[in-house]
Amino acid sequence: NAGVMQNPRHLVRRRGQEARLRCSPMKGHSHVYWYRQLPEEGLKFMVYLQKENIIDESGMPKERFSAEFPKEGPSILRIQQVVRGDSAAYFCASSPPVGPGNTIYFGEGSWLTVV
Amino acid sequence: AQSVSQHNHHVILSEAASLELGCNYSYGGTVNLFWYVQYPGQHLQLLLKYFSGDPLVKGIKGFEAEFIKSKFSFNLRKPSVQWSDTAEYFCAVKDDYKLSFGAGTTVTVRA
Repeated sequence: NAGVMQNPRHLVRRRGQEARLRCSPMKGHSHVYWYRQLPEEGLKFMVYLQKENIIDESGMPKERFSAEFPKEGPSILRIQQVVRGDSAAYFCASSPPVGPGNTIYFGEGSWLTVV
Repeated sequence: AQSVSQHNHHVILSEAASLELGCNYSYGGTVNLFWYVQYPGQHLQLLLKYFSGDPLVKGIKGFEAEFIKSKFSFNLRKPSVQWSDTAEYFCAVKDDYKLSFGAGTTVTVRA
């Protein structure tokens, strides 16, 4: 049973380019989360999605960032016109349908470097 | 909204020493509490979790944590650390669906 799969693991982008990070949840999980970890900081919640729905995007920057979780295929975190401050590790997590007792499982992360 | 506070930013220990990492949370509802570990360059791994029942929770790799409701605390302990426990440790609290993390504690174990 594969875990949460993220790709690419490492991504280098020049300032102004677009970054796309992909996440396939664990089998049977219909809920996806994106977290960002900046250097020397903890994990910050960005967005919570179910299939075809954004449930909570309170942690997403207002501009340049978007996320989707289509009916078919992986969840995508898209960062347009990247800046150096976007350099971070982006972790995807998934869980079964919502319940307080459900554990959230994390992927191995995608490290974005903006040069 | 919930928040999580980890008391120590960086802890340095010698092998075989005992470890205790503090974690306090603020959340008015029923809490689910977690400790995750992140080894250098790797993803988060679940060490242990508390949902209900016995407030003393045992996890993997010899770790345990105690939920003290009156103190809003969920401290992590290990009686005797090893060099391989060098990592960053995150306390997290979950409401209905969202995990909120503390800032993390970096633990360095010296051989």
